[in-house]
Amino acid sequence: QQQVKQSPQSLIVQKGGIPIINCAYENTAFDYFPWYQQFPGKGPALLIAIRPDVSEKKEGRFTISFNKSAKQFSLHIMDSQPGDSATYFCAASRMDSNYQLIWGAGTKLIIKP
Amino acid sequence: NAGVMQNPRHLVRRRGQEARLRCSPMKGHSHVYWYRQLPEEGLKFMVYLQKENIIDESGMPKERFSAEFPKEGPSILRIQQVVRGDSAAYFCASSPSRKDLDTEAFFGQGTRLTVV
Repeated sequence: QQQVKQSPQSLIVQKGGIPIINCAYENTAFDYFPWYQQFPGKGPALLIAIRPDVSEKKEGRFTISFNKSAKQFSLHIMDSQPGDSATYFCAASRMDSNYQLIWGAGTKLIIKP
Repeated sequence: NAGVMQNPRHLVRRRGQEARLRCSPMKGHSHVYWYRQLPEEGLKFMVYLQKENIIDESGMPKERFSAEFPKEGPSILRIQQVVRGDSAAYFCASSPSRKDLDTEAFFGQGTRLTVV
């Protein structure tokens, strides 16, 4: 019930391609779905987040697609660049849960030049 | 405005010793969260504190782990009698208030604890 399942575990994409990372959750009480980007040796940084009242959100080259009925959400990176190479984590929480984010296991993304 | 500062960045302890991890939140932030990250895994919530109060410690192991956020000074995560399984990266995040968590919660660079 509390898990967030993330796939794939790793992903290699050519520069300019569109990597897609998927997450699925079970708990229908979740109402906040952020994506974090983490570079080696650094803490996670919030990339983009969505709430279930919208099906899509774009910020620059990053887009979250949200499917409430399927309990799935995904991150798309347009025109990917080598600098986007990092580990990406999806997460979920309830807004009244004291920031108890439930994290996916992460996707290690490599963008080849 | 400095970000969330954690120290030390790397900490090596022998089994049975104590580990003390420090987190100075961003200026103006009064909420602190501690997370643990095992290799190749996502972060796991441990504890949420406000100044002088533990708000939620549901993710903290019942024994050997404690956290505080005093009126003055950094937040401290303390692990007594460390065991090899405590080896992980410990991250601290801070925010000014719960309502703003999705735009104003920032993570430190973490403390990597190795128990030998």
